[in-house]
Amino acid sequence: EAGVVQSPRYKIIEKKQPVAFWCNPISGHNTLYWYLQNLGQGPELLIRYENEEAVDDSQLPKDRFSAERLKGVDSTLKIQPAELGDSAVYLCASSLGLAGVETQYFGPGTRLLVL
Amino acid sequence: AQSVTQLDSQVPVFEEAPVELRCNYSSSVSVYLFWYVQYPNQGLQLLLKYLSGSTLVKGINGFEAEFNKSQTSFHLRKPSVHISDTAEYFCAVSSLTGNQFYFGTGTSLTVIP
Repeated sequence: EAGVVQSPRYKIIEKKQPVAFWCNPISGHNTLYWYLQNLGQGPELLIRYENEEAVDDSQLPKDRFSAERLKGVDSTLKIQPAELGDSAVYLCASSLGLAGVETQYFGPGTRLLVL
Repeated sequence: AQSVTQLDSQVPVFEEAPVELRCNYSSSVSVYLFWYVQYPNQGLQLLLKYLSGSTLVKGINGFEAEFNKSQTSFHLRKPSVHISDTAEYFCAVSSLTGNQFYFGTGTSLTVIP
């Protein structure tokens, strides 16, 4: 069974440029998460989807970040414009249902460097 | 809201020695507890989780953890570590509904040959 797929694995951009990350969850997983992981820190939730609905986006900086999950499968996270402080690893995870009883499976992440 | 504190940011240990990685949680309600491992340039992988029942939980790769409600702790242990155990370890807590999930800041385990 394929795991959570993310692309690109690495991205280097200049500040003020836009950037997008793509995630393909495990087949059949209704719940999809985007996390931000700063160096030396644990992942922090940005947004959680139940199918195509964003049910928790309280930690998403909506002035520059946006996300979508069309058709309740793949998801895209976008930053526009990127700032130096956005340099981090962006992790995507999926689970059959809400994390807790259901296990979250993580992708390898996209490492973003903003110059 | 819930939170977790990982008391050690770095733990060096010699190969074949035992190790304990400490985690304390804070919550006014019942919670689920987890340990994840992150190898370099990889995503997080679940080691084990406590949902209910026996307070001693066994996970993959020979790891185990004990839930202690009175001390609000969920420490991770392994009796004999290998070089391949070198990684970042994260403790996490979630509400019973699963709609709140928080990770600790991680403990970097380095196994010394």
